[in-house]
Amino acid sequence: TQLLEQSPQFLSIQEGENLTVYCNSSSVFSSLQWYRQEPGEGPVLLVTVVTGGEVKKLKRLTFQFGDARKDSSLHITAAQTGDTGLYLCAGASNYGGSQGNLIFGKGTKLSVKP
Amino acid sequence: EAQVTQNPRYLITVTGKKLTVTCSQNMNHEYMSWYRQDPGLGLRQIYYSMNVEVTDKGDVPEGYKVSRKEKRNFPLILESPSPNQTSLYFCASSLRGLAGNTIYFGEGSWLTVV
Repeated sequence: TQLLEQSPQFLSIQEGENLTVYCNSSSVFSSLQWYRQEPGEGPVLLVTVVTGGEVKKLKRLTFQFGDARKDSSLHITAAQTGDTGLYLCAGASNYGGSQGNLIFGKGTKLSVKP
Repeated sequence: EAQVTQNPRYLITVTGKKLTVTCSQNMNHEYMSWYRQDPGLGLRQIYYSMNVEVTDKGDVPEGYKVSRKEKRNFPLILESPSPNQTSLYFCASSLRGLAGNTIYFGEGSWLTVV
């Protein structure tokens, strides 16, 4: 069974600080996605990384896929209160027979205080 | 408007009473999937479907059935619900599988089995 370990589970910071969330696995994924989820709503896709070593930026958010496609990180620069939410990483299976299988990390609950 | 619609959004039912949670998408997507979200366990995939008449088990399929008779609908069936199936359920869809495609989630269905 493929697992994605996401850390930290909770993060409480002041506005303006930087933070990094990590997603690690012993398994190789064909792609890795990051989502943000608000209470009472479904997850919303932020980014998909596909190539080992790939870096994508979305305004103040930087996403990186590990060279071996086993891990990923999300870095937020100068966090704002509007960044508060649950961040989820999800890996798409690399196995031919289960290419529709999406494995989620348990999430990082981020709270940015003014 | 592109959307994934789930019904019902909220349901309280009794142990053993068969129920169906419907999911419909209006984007002509080939891929559809069901997840459950539980505190401390995160999002876990129940079943997925790569296309019409093609369904596969996710990580936690026990106690659930699905069918994909037409492209737009992917109902989740609980033949004999039990209290451990109390959870928040999400349906999701994408154009074609997971690789490089945006996955759209429904708003969720809160199910309580007493």
